[in-house]
Amino acid sequence: DAGVTQSPTHLIKTRGQHVTLRCSPISGHKSVSWYQQVLGQGPQFIFQYYEKEERGRGNFPDRFSARQFPNYSSELNVNALLLGDSALYLCASSSSPGVLRPFFGQGTRLTVV
Amino acid sequence: GESVGLHLPTLSVQEGDNSIINCAYSNSASDYFIWYKQESGKGPQFIIDIRSNMDKRQGQRVTVLLNKTVKHLSLQIAATQPGDSAVYFCAEATGNQAGTALIFGKGTTLSVSS
Repeated sequence: DAGVTQSPTHLIKTRGQHVTLRCSPISGHKSVSWYQQVLGQGPQFIFQYYEKEERGRGNFPDRFSARQFPNYSSELNVNALLLGDSALYLCASSSSPGVLRPFFGQGTRLTVV
Repeated sequence: GESVGLHLPTLSVQEGDNSIINCAYSNSASDYFIWYKQESGKGPQFIIDIRSNMDKRQGQRVTVLLNKTVKHLSLQIAATQPGDSAVYFCAEATGNQAGTALIFGKGTTLSVSS
């Protein structure tokens, strides 16, 4: 069975640019969450979506946005990239909006130069 | 604040020893806890979870202990192997069907030498 898949795996962007990261959840999972992991830190919650609706938002600026599609895949968008946005962006899926056993993808390594 | 902290940033053990990784949490309302293992360049891998109505849960070679009185969580790994070398995170959450987030600690790096 396929796990959570994220694309691309690596990405280099220039300050001020826009980026879109993609996530496909485990088959049957309807909830997708996004996390940012800065080097040496634990993941930090950005968004959670369930049934295409936003169910939670972390302490991130409005430059960060996300959406979920009818097939439960999701996109994370970041506008006006800053050097500090360089991080590993993780997607996690679970079967319900509650946090029960979320499984993570391998992440997208974003480098802003 | 609502954050999860770990007692030790690094832990070094010999192959075959038992490892204990500790975690302190601050939110007494948290009722769900997970341990993740993260290898270099990979996403966190689910190890084991526990709800607050339990104080112990066992998996394959791993045991999680929860002490709500002192808000402490631990992960015990039996017969530690070199493949167990990784960063281990505990995470807490407050159950809410409307949706909620995991709050992660900073992690403990486990190094296993053979």
